[in-house]
Amino acid sequence: DIVMTQSPDSLAVSLGERATINCKSSQSVLYSSNNKNYLAWYQQKPGQPPKLLIYWASTRESGVPDRFSGSGSGTDFTLTISSLQAEDVAVYYCHQYYSPPYTFGQGTNLEIK
Amino acid sequence: QVQLQQSGPGLVKPSQTLSLTCVISGDSVSTNSAAWSWIRQSPSRGLEWLGRTYYRSKWYNDYAVSVKSRITINPDTSKNQFSLQLNSVTPEDTAVYYCARDRRPFGIDYWGQGTLVTVSS
Repeated sequence: DIVMTQSPDSLAVSLGERATINCKSSQSVLYSSNNKNYLAWYQQKPGQPPKLLIYWASTRESGVPDRFSGSGSGTDFTLTISSLQAEDVAVYYCHQYYSPPYTFGQGTNLEIK
Repeated sequence: QVQLQQSGPGLVKPSQTLSLTCVISGDSVSTNSAAWSWIRQSPSRGLEWLGRTYYRSKWYNDYAVSVKSRITINPDTSKNQFSLQLNSVTPEDTAVYYCARDRRPFGIDYWGQGTLVTVSS
């Protein structure tokens, strides 16, 4: 199985400041046939299912604010929130869908400082 | 707009079978452009993908090794839904269970509302 490891486990950022979450996969999730990374980022708020923010490592899902961005390739990825808003308080997960069994990172709990 | 509506019991006794159903609206269980998955979440195991069913001229299934001997995911084309059966449950299977659409190559984009299933006598 591909192991996904996020860092940090928790993060406190001031409103308006940048938040950065890292994710590392135990093997590459770059699909050679289309040169796409099969890596997604999700946001989960209490009592809700995860919400897709980013797919292909850097493509924002429709309706996701542009303060959310994703980067990276191969095995190392980053989710950045450029200017933290109060509504961004949540747990964030990276997820590889390169091959079954699909796996998720352990989550990063983002709070307001 | 795709919607996934889950149903099933919230309490299951140890050694019995956990059964959940997910009704799809806004898409078809038989579509060639998606797969239909079950995922669970618990404090001890985090988000855990359990398996999926999908149609590509015939029906296929993939299952996580951790549950492969106990799990069945079945489509029901007449009701546009799919189901999860997990046999011989133990308290370790206590979790929130989600159904979800896997729209490869874009990832898992729609989720059901979640069902807390507790395994207890």
